[in-house]
Amino acid sequence: GENVEQHPSTLSVQEGDSAVIKCTYSDSASNYFPWYKQELGKRPQLIIDIRSNVGEKKDQRIAVTLNKTAKHFSLHITETQPEDSAVYFCAARSFNKFYFGSGTKLNVKP
Amino acid sequence: AAGVIQSPRHLIKEKRETATLKCYPIPRHDTVYWYQQGPGQDPQFLISFYEKMQSDKGSIPDRFSAQQFSDYHSELNMSSLELGDSALYFCASSLEVKGTQYFGPGTRLLVL
Repeated sequence: GENVEQHPSTLSVQEGDSAVIKCTYSDSASNYFPWYKQELGKRPQLIIDIRSNVGEKKDQRIAVTLNKTAKHFSLHITETQPEDSAVYFCAARSFNKFYFGSGTKLNVKP
Repeated sequence: AAGVIQSPRHLIKEKRETATLKCYPIPRHDTVYWYQQGPGQDPQFLISFYEKMQSDKGSIPDRFSAQQFSDYHSELNMSSLELGDSALYFCASSLEVKGTQYFGPGTRLLVL
């Protein structure tokens, strides 16, 4: 089955700086890679996703890159704000299953 | 816009009891996923349904079962509850299996 690894587990940045979270996956059949933001006790909220036929996608301050050859994808948040503080999960879909990374706790210091 | 609805939002049960969690997908979504998330853990995929048929199975214990009904809502039935079943249970829905997945607010289950 698929194995998704996510790094770092915690990330602390100063407001206005950029944050980068990286994930690797093992199953070459995985073809869809969403990123979720989860605040404590709340549901995971989709923030951006990318499909395997695309190398990069951007939505305002958030961007995701995908390297299919190396089987890794990354989340980039620019101009971070305190409200970006949350746990971020990457995920990979292999056939009809979603596999999540272990999460990155992002802390944006004002 | 309508979102995924889950009920109940909170549930307290004792060991060996049963529990039923309900999920109402976003209108027109035909695919439902169930996840279990322990404290500080990532969501673990349990099971999914597409067009009322089981689509895929993850780490769902044999004590649990689920189904999707004709109106596309889904129920997760949990029997012989154990302390370790205490977790947040999320349902998510998508339009077809390849569609974007949207999560419900979750049901927090506490087994005493």
